[in-house]
Amino acid sequence: QKEVEQDPGPLSVPEGAIVSLNCTYSNSAFQYFMWYRQYSRKGPELLMYTYSSGNKEDGRFTAQVDKSSKYISLFIRDSQPSDSATYLCAMSGNYGGSQGNLIFGKGTKLSVKP
Amino acid sequence: NAGVTQTPKFQVLKTGQSMTLQCAQDMNHNSMYWYRQDPGMGLRLIYYSASEGTTDKGEVPNGYNVSRLNKREFSLRLESAAPSQTSVYFCASSEWLSGTTNEKLFFGSGTQLSVL
Repeated sequence: QKEVEQDPGPLSVPEGAIVSLNCTYSNSAFQYFMWYRQYSRKGPELLMYTYSSGNKEDGRFTAQVDKSSKYISLFIRDSQPSDSATYLCAMSGNYGGSQGNLIFGKGTKLSVKP
Repeated sequence: NAGVTQTPKFQVLKTGQSMTLQCAQDMNHNSMYWYRQDPGMGLRLIYYSASEGTTDKGEVPNGYNVSRLNKREFSLRLESAAPSQTSVYFCASSEWLSGTTNEKLFFGSGTQLSVL
């Protein structure tokens, strides 16, 4: 079993739909949960991050973490064509980044149709 | 502000050829990384450098070497390219997320490499 599982999609929705993107993980030591957005032919960019369990909201985006189920979600409300991208979840323990401990999901490709 | 700059953007190599991918960041970050991204495999860490003068292996280091030339620059070298190294390569640097023990990665736009 991979440490982080993410459905690659592709996922196609009409403009205005609510989008749910999900990842599951197996390592209970993960504490930081991130979502990166990657537009075509570009590098990923950090969209949101949460620490431990709970919800975090930023505009139309909501990140949820359920550590008991080892499951994280990113919700996009009122989706727009500009949200069309690949969304990668990423996770690490208490020290990520420079320790080389950030684990990425494979990414879900989202297409929002006008 | 350029951020993370990678060169070249595209490259085609023949099996056995060597090349160096260049990366530079202008954000005064200590940590830098090289990832490869393959369909169905996601992003995988090749090497990282936590500070100038140090480098460490990531998940998939075989067939690669790196040099942290100075604080700004981190290069990735393929000594003898193989078709299995056909991929999109991303360089990144990072800074601490405020109030956390984790870091935010800033990625370059990538190098698309094909090895024939």
